[in-house]
Amino acid sequence: DIQMTQSPSSLSASVGDRVTITCRASQSIGSYLNWYQKKPGKAPNLLIYTASSLQTGVPSRFSGSGSGTDFTLTISSLQPEDFATYYCQQNYNTPPTFGQGTKVEI
Amino acid sequence: EVQLLESGGGLVQPGGSLRVSCAASGFTFSSYAMSWVRQAPGKGLEWVSVISDSGGKTYYADSVKGRFTISRDNSKNTMYLQMNSLRAEDTAVYYCAKDGPTGSSWYKWAYWGQGTLVTVSS
Repeated sequence: DIQMTQSPSSLSASVGDRVTITCRASQSIGSYLNWYQKKPGKAPNLLIYTASSLQTGVPSRFSGSGSGTDFTLTISSLQPEDFATYYCQQNYNTPPTFGQGTKVEI
Repeated sequence: EVQLLESGGGLVQPGGSLRVSCAASGFTFSSYAMSWVRQAPGKGLEWVSVISDSGGKTYYADSVKGRFTISRDNSKNTMYLQMNSLRAEDTAVYYCAKDGPTGSSWYKWAYWGQGTLVTVSS
């Protein structure tokens, strides 16, 4: 199975900050990388697919980059509603696997 | 509007069985693969299983292989997850998710249900 490793596991930030989360795959996955936002009691929300494509309806302050084994999710200006846990996920092969999550806190 | 509604969660004893369902609407159900993804309390997301649009192909996470069975009834727009030999570590919120259309790659989930809680405890 492909292992996905996110860093950091948690971070503290303020409204307006630029936030960067990294995700590393244990082998090359091309651009088969998705990012999700998860809030307690809510279903995950797809933010970015294929490493850098913004899902319809997701604010443009979210962006993704990378290919191969190293990927980044960036929030350009953190908003109050962005405090959540973020997960990367590879869909290169079966089983699809998630990173352990990055909790973005105030 | 795509809607996914899970049901059937609850409390079950270790070693017991439970079937959860996912009722779909707002899209041509028979043209899409469907997945189950779970989240244990305080833990991350874990993919559980996928079923192809026709139901002819199924795949499972190693953690549930041989104990869980995914199925679907395209005439009822409903997917199921039959869970047998349940363990405490299967305690989680189970989400169904709309997967890729016929012929496309899988495991990109833009639509999710609200989740159903399965608790395995004596």
